[in-house]
Amino acid sequence: NAGVTQTPKFRVLKTGQSMTLLCAQDMNHEYMYWYRQDPGMGLRLIHYSVGEGTTAKGEVPDGYNVSRLKKQNFLLGLESAAPSQTSVYFCASSHPGRLRGYTFGSGTRLTVV
Amino acid sequence: GESVGLHLPTLSVQEGDNSIINCAYSNSASDYFIWYKQESGKGPQFIIDIRSNMDKRQGQRVTVLLNKTVKHLSLQIAATQPGDSAVYFCATSYGKLTFGQGTILTVHP
Repeated sequence: NAGVTQTPKFRVLKTGQSMTLLCAQDMNHEYMYWYRQDPGMGLRLIHYSVGEGTTAKGEVPDGYNVSRLKKQNFLLGLESAAPSQTSVYFCASSHPGRLRGYTFGSGTRLTVV
Repeated sequence: GESVGLHLPTLSVQEGDNSIINCAYSNSASDYFIWYKQESGKGPQFIIDIRSNMDKRQGQRVTVLLNKTVKHLSLQIAATQPGDSAVYFCATSYGKLTFGQGTILTVHP
C-alpha cells in the first residue's frame, strides 16, 4: 500500500543516548516533514526537506538533525536525547504546493527517561 | 507569529447528533484552511479544506464554515457516528501549515 512508513513505532531511550527515526515514502513526493506532537499542543514542525539533499529548520529544530540522502527517505536524528524530547513524532510528505495532499505516517512514540 | 487555537479540548455527543468543532486563528493573511482527523495510534488524515475566498464548503456529512472577519472556522459533522470518535485538528496556511491543538470528539452509542 502506498504511503508513509515510520520506524520504529515505539522506543525508550535513556538520557544522553542517540537514535535515528526513519521515514520512507513511496509516492514520489518532493517534500517531506518531521513533526512532534505533545499533549495540549498542535503538531510542531521540527525540520523539513523540499528535495533530495536539502533540509531546512522548522519551528522547533534544536536537539535534532535530519538528512535526505534519497528522495524517498527522511531521517530524524537525536544525538543526545533529553526528557524534553519525549513525544510522538510524525513524518509527512507532499508534492510541492499541495498542502491538501499531506500524507502522514502512523507515528513513533519516543520516551526518554 | 501565527497561532491556531481551539475553543474546547473535548466534545462528547450522542450517536446521531450533529457535532460542531471550532477553531480560531490569528494570522489574517492565512489563505487556506484544513481539517484533519486523527484516530488513536494513527497519523492525521485530511477531511476537508476551504480557501479564504469561500465561507462554506460541504463534503460527505461534513461542512466547514469560515468567518474571516473574526478569524474563526468550524467543522460540522452531521449525524455523528461512533466511528467519528477521534481528535480533530484545524490547520491554517500562509506558506506552510500551522496546526491547532486538537479537539477530542467522543461519540456515545
